[in-house]
Amino acid sequence: SQQGEEDPQALSIQEGENATMNCSYKTSINNLQWYRQNSGRGLVHLILIRSNEREKHSGRLRVTLDTSKKSSSLLITASRAADTASYFCATDDTGGFKTIFGAGTRLFVKA
Amino acid sequence: KAGVTQTPRYLIKTRGQQVTLSCSPISGHRSVSWYQQTPGQGLQFLFEYFSETQRNKGNFPGRFSGRQFSNSRSEMNVSTLELGDSALYLCASSLGGGFHEKLFFGSGTQLSVL
Repeated sequence: SQQGEEDPQALSIQEGENATMNCSYKTSINNLQWYRQNSGRGLVHLILIRSNEREKHSGRLRVTLDTSKKSSSLLITASRAADTASYFCATDDTGGFKTIFGAGTRLFVKA
Repeated sequence: KAGVTQTPRYLIKTRGQQVTLSCSPISGHRSVSWYQQTPGQGLQFLFEYFSETQRNKGNFPGRFSGRQFSNSRSEMNVSTLELGDSALYLCASSLGGGFHEKLFFGSGTQLSVL
């Protein structure tokens, strides 16, 4: 079963706009990660936020974590056509040695 | 530093056959995880290996198996292939597989079962 569920499933925006994706999870976590996947390729790690952190930035990315609501959001500012990809949140399974991925949000940025 | 290497990149098999996929992790990484990705089910965890030991396993039938060698390279095997096994199989490595470690993914093996 999947721990993280992303929302929306798909998002289409114009270049230059901001894109926000949300992730909800079910059980307590040690950290939450976001990954990007270009069509048919492997996933690339974007950012990791620990359970005791509330916000983290990396370039044009901003991630927030609300452990009381068991949710996280990924904001991509000033999006570019190259940001077109699927974005996944991932959490550690409580049993360890297992990272569980959500279903992903497909982002399409129109030039 | 070379990334995670998966071979082959594409594979076509027929029902009933078996298949072996290979994964070479980043040098120094000792944890290897395998995932199955399909449009309908997303990324599903298959298993994780560390120092030749399977530490966790997903909810897949016994037809799916794996192993890890002393050099941390890993293989997964699927026997008696079914049409539903058609998927992108992804391998990921990390230093030790612990918390707060990010995964490094290979490009995957696209398996088509006819």
